[in-house]
Amino acid sequence: GIQVEQSPPDLILQEGANSTLRCNFSDSVNNLQWFHQNPWGQLINLFYIPSGTKQNGRLSATTVATERYSLLYISSSQTTDSGVYFCAVENYGQNFVFGPGTRLSVLP
Amino acid sequence: DAGVIQSPRHEVTEMGQEVTLRCKPISGHDYLFWYRQTMMRGLELLIYFNNNVPIDDSGMPEDRFSAKMPNASFSTLKIQPSEPRDSAVYFCASSRLQGYGYTFGSGTRLTVV
Repeated sequence: GIQVEQSPPDLILQEGANSTLRCNFSDSVNNLQWFHQNPWGQLINLFYIPSGTKQNGRLSATTVATERYSLLYISSSQTTDSGVYFCAVENYGQNFVFGPGTRLSVLP
Repeated sequence: DAGVIQSPRHEVTEMGQEVTLRCKPISGHDYLFWYRQTMMRGLELLIYFNNNVPIDDSGMPEDRFSAKMPNASFSTLKIQPSEPRDSAVYFCASSRLQGYGYTFGSGTRLTVV
């Protein structure tokens, strides 16, 4: 099945800093989404982005499907951005596969 | 909309007991998914339904696990008999279209002792 890697596994930032999270996948996909799991465990859908670029406030994401990666940008990070960020992909009818996540800690 | 509602939030049970987890999807969402999250294996898809019909249950770990969706507003995941290795957080999610716009419930943290 399709393999999903995320980097870095852990990231510590000072409030106000910018960051880039990366998701690599091993095969072509028709569906890619980014999720944020907050420290209380709630999973929130951030972006549906199988290709192209999207922005939502301080967050933006870019997927380059031909090169099999996606990037999530967080600008002017806040403590509420802390948690685990997951990339999840679907390969044309196969099961939706989640990556291992990037654990982000934003310090005040 | 109240979102995807799961119950209970926490469940502690003894090995060998039957456990039933419940999920109410968002009204109008035709897809319902059950996931399990553990430290070792991350988030794993167990089973998903489309219009109340199970489509793919290949992620269900073994026959001790079963899931039903008797109507569009209710689904259950049952483990019988439960074992300590079933301890995990179980999430339910729903979406209007397959794989698009997932909304997750708050999860059920299951501990089997």
